[in-house]
Amino acid sequence: QKEVEQDPGPLSVPEGAIVSLNCTYSNSAFQYFMWYRQYSRKGPELLMYTYSSGNKEDGRFTAQVDKSSKYISLFIRDSQPSDSATYLCAARTGYQKVTFGTGTKLQVIP
Amino acid sequence: DAGITQSPRHKVTETGTPVTLRCHQTENHRYMYWYRQDPGHGLRLIHYSYGVKDTDKGEVSDGYSVSRSKTEDFLLTLESATSSQTSVYFCAISPRDRKKAYNEQFFGPGTRLTVL
Repeated sequence: QKEVEQDPGPLSVPEGAIVSLNCTYSNSAFQYFMWYRQYSRKGPELLMYTYSSGNKEDGRFTAQVDKSSKYISLFIRDSQPSDSATYLCAARTGYQKVTFGTGTKLQVIP
Repeated sequence: DAGITQSPRHKVTETGTPVTLRCHQTENHRYMYWYRQDPGHGLRLIHYSYGVKDTDKGEVSDGYSVSRSKTEDFLLTLESATSSQTSVYFCAISPRDRKKAYNEQFFGPGTRLTVL
């Protein structure tokens, strides 16, 4: 079992929709949670990170962590075609190495 | 790409040949990482470095070695390439700020390696 699981998609939504991307994890020691965006044939870029449970908002993006259910979410409001990419969730314990999910491919249709 | 370059960007080689990939950074970051990315497996850590000549293994280090003789360069070597090492390889760095060191990783553009 992978420590961080993601549905690979693809997820197709119309422009302007609210997108919900989700991950589950199994290691209860994870404390830091990250979301990366990766465009085709590019390196991943960090979108947001959160510590422990709770929400964090940055523009159209909201990251949410529910440690009781081991669930990580990324919400994108007013989705744009430029949001079309693969989204990777990631987690780590303390100062240990980062564990990545396999990524969910998102397509926003104009 | 936070001042990170990788070379070569594409390489095709034959089974059994040695291959070296180079990661170069211009911003004096202490921590550097090598990952491979494969369908169905996501990003997996091969090796990482926390300073000049200080390196450690990741989860998929078999068949790979690394060296870091200068802060700015982190080399990944496949001693004898195999077809299972066909992958996209990413280098990443973390900034010197201790509070952020393990939160923020900035990735290079990647190297596509094909082993025939």
